[in-house]
Amino acid sequence: GAVVSQHPSWVICKSGTSVKIECRSLDFQATTMFWYRQFPKQSLMLMATSNEGSKATYEQGVEKDKFLINHASLTLSTLTVTSAHPEDSSFYICSARDQFTDTQYFGPGTRLTVL
Amino acid sequence: QQQVKQSPQSLIVQKGGISIINCAYENTAFDYFPWYQQFPGKGPALLIAIRPDVSEKKEGRFTISFNKSAKQFSLHIMDSQPGDSATYFCAASWSSNTGKLIFGQGTTLQVKP
Repeated sequence: GAVVSQHPSWVICKSGTSVKIECRSLDFQATTMFWYRQFPKQSLMLMATSNEGSKATYEQGVEKDKFLINHASLTLSTLTVTSAHPEDSSFYICSARDQFTDTQYFGPGTRLTVL
Repeated sequence: QQQVKQSPQSLIVQKGGISIINCAYENTAFDYFPWYQQFPGKGPALLIAIRPDVSEKKEGRFTISFNKSAKQFSLHIMDSQPGDSATYFCAASWSSNTGKLIFGQGTTLQVKP
């Protein structure tokens, strides 16, 4: 089946630093990728929709200047958490939509801990 | 109108039993209904999905039942196994909206040996 990878799988950083998370579709092309945030024992919260070659669309309440998204190719999207603070600690998950089947496949997630 | 309501929040089933999770939606524009399984610390994995043109879809021990008029759909796990213990999310999307998924609240399933 289709595979989506994320890197890194976990990261610990100091408050005030920036962290970049990569999301790659390994065996299919994805014109659209999505970034989610998930708190313990809660559902996935969509942060933004990332379209290849254009600006991301952010959900209401998500700070676009804090969560920078770049979708430079059909297989890669990146999420940069800028000036991270402890409240940004969370599980970040990306997904990629197969443009031919419309099926959305999820990455394994990235655990971010901000000290 | 964009919400997907999922129940129950948690479910305990004996090994070999049937697990049933229900979801309801309001937006009649939804045309794709997937179910995802998530283990702790992992990303969700697609289990099975259905479109409104069919009322039931079965893949192995997993079956989706879809009731278009009631705007409800459910996941049935037959012969539930301890390895099925996970959190299950239903979702819905509509093709004309970039495929953005609207997720239910999730159901934590525990299958007792």
